[in-house]
Amino acid sequence: SQQGEEDPQALSIQEGENATMNCSYKTSINNLQWYRQNSGRGLVHLILIRSNEREKHSGRLRVTLDTSKKSSSLLITASRAADTASYFCATQTGTYKYIFGTGTRLKVLA
Amino acid sequence: GAGVSQTPSNKVTEKGKYVELRCDPISGHTALYWYRQSLGQGPEFLIYFQGTGAADDSGLPNDRFFAVRPEGSVSTLKIQRTERGDSAVYLCASSVKEGIPNIQYFGAGTRLSVL
Repeated sequence: SQQGEEDPQALSIQEGENATMNCSYKTSINNLQWYRQNSGRGLVHLILIRSNEREKHSGRLRVTLDTSKKSSSLLITASRAADTASYFCATQTGTYKYIFGTGTRLKVLA
Repeated sequence: GAGVSQTPSNKVTEKGKYVELRCDPISGHTALYWYRQSLGQGPEFLIYFQGTGAADDSGLPNDRFFAVRPEGSVSTLKIQRTERGDSAVYLCASSVKEGIPNIQYFGAGTRLSVL
């Protein structure tokens, strides 16, 4: 079973707009990561936020984490057509195990 | 190698047949994972290897599924008596080692279609 649920399931925006997707999870975590997947194949790691952090930035990405609400959000600013992909949150609960969310399918229209 | 390599990229088989899926992790990565991803879903954990041993196989759906990593590098996922419900993308990932945090590097996957 999957721990995380992502919202929305699908998102369609215009190039240049910001995209926000949310992830909720069920149990306590060590850290939370976001991955991108193009065309239903390999996942690429984007950003990691530790359980004692509240916000992290990397380029056009901003991640927040609220452990009291068991939720995280990923913001992509000034989106580009190349950002079109599925985005997954993954929670690390032990020293090796990941549980992935259901994903948000983002479409950026040129 | 430069990245995680999975072969074949696509596999079509008939119900009841046996298949093997191969994963070649990044050189030096001791941790190796197999996931299964169904259409519209996130990757679902199958099995984790630390070195040669399967440290956690709790995600394998039943005894038709088996995986090995005999020399601590290349891993093979084996599925016996395939069923149509086994159709999915099988993803392999590796990481430097077990730990916190732990970033995984994924292969492109093998798309298995059972007819």
